[in-house]
Amino acid sequence: AQSVAQPEDQVNVAEGNPLTVKCTYSVSGNPYLFWYVQYPNRGLQFLLKYITGDNLVKGSYGFEAEFNKSQTSFHLKKPSALVSDSALYFCAVRDMGPGSSNTGKLIFGQGTTLQVKP
Amino acid sequence: EAGVAQSPRYKIIEKRQSVAFWCNPISGHATLYWYQQILGQGPKLLIQFQNNGVVDDSQLPKDRFSAERLKGVDSTLKIQPAKLEDSAVYLCASSLGHGYTFGSGTRLTVV
Repeated sequence: AQSVAQPEDQVNVAEGNPLTVKCTYSVSGNPYLFWYVQYPNRGLQFLLKYITGDNLVKGSYGFEAEFNKSQTSFHLKKPSALVSDSALYFCAVRDMGPGSSNTGKLIFGQGTTLQVKP
Repeated sequence: EAGVAQSPRYKIIEKRQSVAFWCNPISGHATLYWYQQILGQGPKLLIQFQNNGVVDDSQLPKDRFSAERLKGVDSTLKIQPAKLEDSAVYLCASSLGHGYTFGSGTRLTVV
């Protein structure tokens, strides 16, 4: 079964410092990996995804993620954190639907709360 | 393009009552998902539709939850009767290829 794990419930960083939110995955075959952000009382907003190609993926709002196949990780990073980055972050992997190579449900980690302090 | 629309945004009901949520996906997105997000947890799939057919409903508590997607567009998720543990945010998403778009969700509180 495919799964993702986010080992940290909460990450605290000071504004202006680099941030990393960790994600590891377990899949059979090539992984399709995603990061979403959720602000209070809002839905999930897409940040970035890895399907194939370069291991460093750039996304929205200055975020990027590094795909590491040997460590089965897909950590989210940002060089300089903003207070407005404080939110709940979810890593997800696509589970391949039966008989389909185009769609499949997303399987989410439990989420990591990012707190950026001024 | 317009996003995934969900209504209502909030709902408070008493246990054993029934409730229904509505979702309008992005035009042209054949696949529609309903997720349940309990506080402090990641979203978990309840049901997945491809057009108006069910692809995966293995995690749907079928004794109380039902969902339909008439004409392969809008979808409705119903809970009857509700339990306290159904308190959660219910997220609808639609997808085309590798892109998934989520609605703002419906926050359900069962008291």
